Amino acid sequence: QSVLTQPPSASGTPGQRVTISCSGSSSNIGTNYVYWYQHLPGTAPKVLIYRNNQRPSGVPDRFSGSKSGTSASLAISELRSEDEAEYYCATWDDSLRGQVFGGGTKVAVL
Amino acid sequence: EVQLVRSGPGVKKPGTTLKIFCKVSGFNFTDYYMHWVQQAPGKGLEWMGLVDPDDGETIYADKFQGRVTMTADTSTDTVYMELSSLTSEDTAVYYCARGGRLGDLSSPVDYWGQGTLVIVSS
Repeated sequence: QSVLTQPPSASGTPGQRVTISCSGSSSNIGTNYVYWYQHLPGTAPKVLIYRNNQRPSGVPDRFSGSKSGTSASLAISELRSEDEAEYYCATWDDSLRGQVFGGGTKVAVL
Repeated sequence: EVQLVRSGPGVKKPGTTLKIFCKVSGFNFTDYYMHWVQQAPGKGLEWMGLVDPDDGETIYADKFQGRVTMTADTSTDTVYMELSSLTSEDTAVYYCARGGRLGDLSSPVDYWGQGTLVIVSS
């Protein structure tokens, strides 16, 4: 059972918008920055969003992040086939004194 | 360019200890926390702990406390992770990853190594 809660799957057709939620608590998301990672099989996870809503250089602006209270979300607009991957949210938990991850959301492009 | 080069895959017997490493380049090794993350087959990412390469201080996740040891060698810019009393449940890909700058514990990891596959089997 992950500390952060994500839906196990999400899907959309090419060009659609998909949103992934990440729910936590006051000791983690409520207090600290949220990061989002994209993970393709056999590769290293890659940061898509850092500090809630910032995109590293090279990440398309189709990816956007937001945070409100103890929840965060990742939106993927103009969905493409190459967006098929597992997506994880992560933050620091002050009570556990460690980094915590969501369980991951597998995005399928139909 | 930030690079984290991991040790090769391996097979370990139950009850033994695994030790894997990650050599970093492209940034000042003693400026950032280094983390280890486990991903078991078919499972999500699980944080194992971190080490401060500057002074060797560590924080471990409760799940691994007592079995894990993370160290850093500043002469070679390499971090090590030892996990003892292995069982089949430790079969996983282990990632090293760079965390926040020293003093900023709460920043999640940004750069990741490719991951080391470890299989625990008799």
